[in-house]
Amino acid sequence: GAVVSQHPSWVICKSGTSVKIECRSLDFQATTMFWYRQFPKQSLMLMATSNEGSKATYEQGVEKDKFLINHASLTLSTLTVTSAHPEDSSFYICSARGGGEQFFGPGTRLTVL
Amino acid sequence: GQQLNQSPQSMFIQEGEDVSMNCTSSSIFNTWLWYKQDPGEGPVLLIALYKAGELTSNGRLTAQFGITRKDSFLNISASIPSDVGIYFCAGQINAGNNRKLIWGLGTSLAVNP
Repeated sequence: GAVVSQHPSWVICKSGTSVKIECRSLDFQATTMFWYRQFPKQSLMLMATSNEGSKATYEQGVEKDKFLINHASLTLSTLTVTSAHPEDSSFYICSARGGGEQFFGPGTRLTVL
Repeated sequence: GQQLNQSPQSMFIQEGEDVSMNCTSSSIFNTWLWYKQDPGEGPVLLIALYKAGELTSNGRLTAQFGITRKDSFLNISASIPSDVGIYFCAGQINAGNNRKLIWGLGTSLAVNP
C-alpha cells in the first residue's frame, strides 16, 4: 500500500507554545488529507479535511484558529497546534487519499506540560 | 459525531481460536473498511469491501459487506499472538471529494499464547 509519513513521531512542549506536525504522502499525490486525534482507548475523531490549495473544512467543535492546517502541495499537509495546553495532549494521526482509499500515517504523540 | 456500533468491545482468546467481530449502523454505506491499529501506530487497512454481499479474504481474515449495507463482520481464523491490537470498522459514503470515514469504537483483541 501507499506510504504516509508523519514528523515528528512524538513531541513534548511547554504550555503556551505552538507545535507543527507534518504529514507527507511519499509515493502518491494526495488530493485530500485528513487530520484525526485519538485519546487513549478511544476511536479516531476527525478534526478536519483539507484539499490541496484550498482551506480546510473543520468538524464541528474543532477550533480552526487553534488547529491551523495547511495543505500547500499534493504531498504535504501540516497541522499547527497553536498556544498548546495540557488538554491538547493527544495522539494526532493524518491520513491521505489520492483517489481511492485512505492511507494513514504512524501518528504523532503530543504531550503538553 | 456519528459512530458505528462495534462489538465486542474487547476479547481475550487463546492462540489458535477463531475470532469474530461486527459493526452495525443505522445508515447505509457504499464502502466498509476494516483496520488494525497497534499501540502507538496509525491504523493499517486490512480489508476493503465495496459491494453489498461481498465476501473478501486476506489470509486468515475474512470480512463481509452486509446485504442491507448497514453492517459488516470480520473473522480471524486460527489466531496468533501478533493478531493482538485494536480492530476498527469504518463506513464510507462515496460522495464528493470530502467523503469521510465513520468509525466504530474498536475491538481490542488480546491473544494468550
